Amino acid sequence: DQQVKQNSPSLSVQEGRISILNCDYTNSMFDYFLWYKKYPAEGPTFLISISSIKDKNEDGRFTVFLNKSAKHLSLHIVPSQPGDSAVYFCAADVYGQNFVFGPGTRLSVLP
Amino acid sequence: KAGVTQTPRYLIKTRGQQVTLSCSPISGHRSVSWYQQTPGQGLQFLFEYFSETQRNKGNFPGRFSGRQFSNSRSEMNVSTLELGDSALYLCASSLVGGLDTQYFGPGTRLTVL
Repeated sequence: DQQVKQNSPSLSVQEGRISILNCDYTNSMFDYFLWYKKYPAEGPTFLISISSIKDKNEDGRFTVFLNKSAKHLSLHIVPSQPGDSAVYFCAADVYGQNFVFGPGTRLSVLP
Repeated sequence: KAGVTQTPRYLIKTRGQQVTLSCSPISGHRSVSWYQQTPGQGLQFLFEYFSETQRNKGNFPGRFSGRQFSNSRSEMNVSTLELGDSALYLCASSLVGGLDTQYFGPGTRLTVL
């Protein structure tokens, strides 16, 4: 049973528009959430994180929103650029002891 | 500063064999974690080593084991390989641990025939 779900395996967005990647989780003990980006033939790279005590965290073009009651988080990329095309993984953590990743969403930003 | 290196990059084995994968962390990093990536399951945490001790462990069978040496290099071993073990195995290192400070290697692509 997947504790972290990314129900959209792929997403296509026009350059300059907003990309919204979604993630749902089932374990209410998760207290820290992260997004990773992965290019082909490379390891994932950390993108942005959010603690369970917050509902929003921004870093440049990237914003993560957390809705604890719905057990849902989302990553917004504005504006989307072709270089953002990659697989995005949502991850959750419990006191640094239980690392769980979602299956990933492949984002394609079309020029 | 050199990144995380993994060897070999590609490996083909047959069912029943065993395999050892190697990971060299970034210099100074003491935490090494291993992950399995498959198309349907995404990234799954295998285990984390810190200062030669296994600190955390995911939900994988005992066929999957690892160790860390005094120089922080780590090896992962899979015994009695099964077809379902075909995956990309990623290693990540960090100074003391923590998902947001991990640097991933490029991975070892294991194919089990």
